Amino acid sequence: SQQGEEDPQALSIQEGENATMNCSYKTSINNLQWYRQNSGRGLVHLILIRSNEREKHSGRLRVTLDTSKKSSSLLITASRAADTASYFCATDAETSGSRLTFGEGTQLTVNP
Amino acid sequence: NAGVTQTPKFQVLKTGQSMTLQCAQDMNHNSMYWYRQDPGMGLRLIYYSASEGTTDKGEVPNGYNVSRLNKREFSLRLESAAPSQTSVYFCASSERQGYSPLHFGNGTRLTVT
Repeated sequence: SQQGEEDPQALSIQEGENATMNCSYKTSINNLQWYRQNSGRGLVHLILIRSNEREKHSGRLRVTLDTSKKSSSLLITASRAADTASYFCATDAETSGSRLTFGEGTQLTVNP
Repeated sequence: NAGVTQTPKFQVLKTGQSMTLQCAQDMNHNSMYWYRQDPGMGLRLIYYSASEGTTDKGEVPNGYNVSRLNKREFSLRLESAAPSQTSVYFCASSERQGYSPLHFGNGTRLTVT
């Protein structure tokens, strides 16, 4: 079963614009992670945010976590064509034995 | 610095054939994982090994077996392949289980006809 669900499924923007992707989950978590997957490649870890954190930054990436709403968002600022990829949230649920559960992903296309 | 290496990259099997997918990591990680990725399904955990000498079932273990050969290597075996096992298989490793990012290989694309 899928713990995390990303929204939207697909997003197309112009270079320089900001991209926001959302993740909702069902049960209490220890932490939530975001990954990027370029076409034909493995997933690459972007950010891990713990359940007691509300916001984290890494370069042009900003992740927020709202445990009361069981949701997280990933913001990519000043997007570039190279940001074109699929983005996945993964949850480490309190009852999962620290095994990550991945959502279905958001396909982001950044047009030059 | 190879990270996580998977072999083969592509494989075509006939129904009923067997094969082993190989995975090795050079980061001295304790935990290793096998996922499958299907369109519209995200990644689903098949088996994992929290530490050398242990293996446990994930979400979709039926039809698969694993071996944690040593700290570096974690193999996935399909004893009798079925068309439903057509998928992209990813191996991953992490320093420990929990609160630790996963490092992925580039996948094995398996087609079962």
